[in-house]
Amino acid sequence: SQTIHQWPATLVQPVGSPLSLECTVEGTSNPNLYWYRQAAGRGLQLLFYSVGIGQISSEVPQNLSASRPQDRQFILSSKKLLLSDSGFYLCAWSRDMSYEQYFGPGTRLTVT
Amino acid sequence: DQQVKQNSPSLSVQEGRISILNCDYTNSMFDYFLWYKKYPAEGPTFLISISSIKDKNEDGRFTVFLNKSAKHLSLHIVPSQPGDSAVYFCAASGGSSNTGKLIFGQGTTLQVKP
Repeated sequence: SQTIHQWPATLVQPVGSPLSLECTVEGTSNPNLYWYRQAAGRGLQLLFYSVGIGQISSEVPQNLSASRPQDRQFILSSKKLLLSDSGFYLCAWSRDMSYEQYFGPGTRLTVT
Repeated sequence: DQQVKQNSPSLSVQEGRISILNCDYTNSMFDYFLWYKKYPAEGPTFLISISSIKDKNEDGRFTVFLNKSAKHLSLHIVPSQPGDSAVYFCAASGGSSNTGKLIFGQGTTLQVKP
């Protein structure tokens, strides 16, 4: 069966510090991968998606970047965090040519 | 521009009764719709989906109805149980299954009272 891991579960970072969130998927190959953010009281906003190694599409211009160094690894980064980067970050995967996405447990990021 | 809207932020129903969660969309190119359930501090879990070639899909206590002319879909939960209390998100896809991009609504918080 497939599983998706995210870490860390919670993170408190000062403004201006760097960020690295990691997501890995097990039990499948060549998944589509996604990063979402849920701000307080808001819906899920798609930040990045990837259909293959090194292929990243950005949905919203912002202070964040994403990379996919391996088939089942997706990383969300920032060089300098802003207060507005606080939120609940979710990684998801889907099979190629499939609409259903499966989410990880999420990372709660608080920028102080 | 919010392409997928859930206009009711919250809904409260009694255990055993029907819960009806609504979702509206504006983009006529959407051809696949999904419902997700989310507990606090957890990732959403997939519940049920429907293709635009259908108007109804049923899975146990959960039924999704799609009205393409009204650009409206709804999720019915019958009978509702206290464990159903969660945030429910509807999502839509615009035919790009090779990328699988989904557009999510804002969510509706369902409370089922014992």
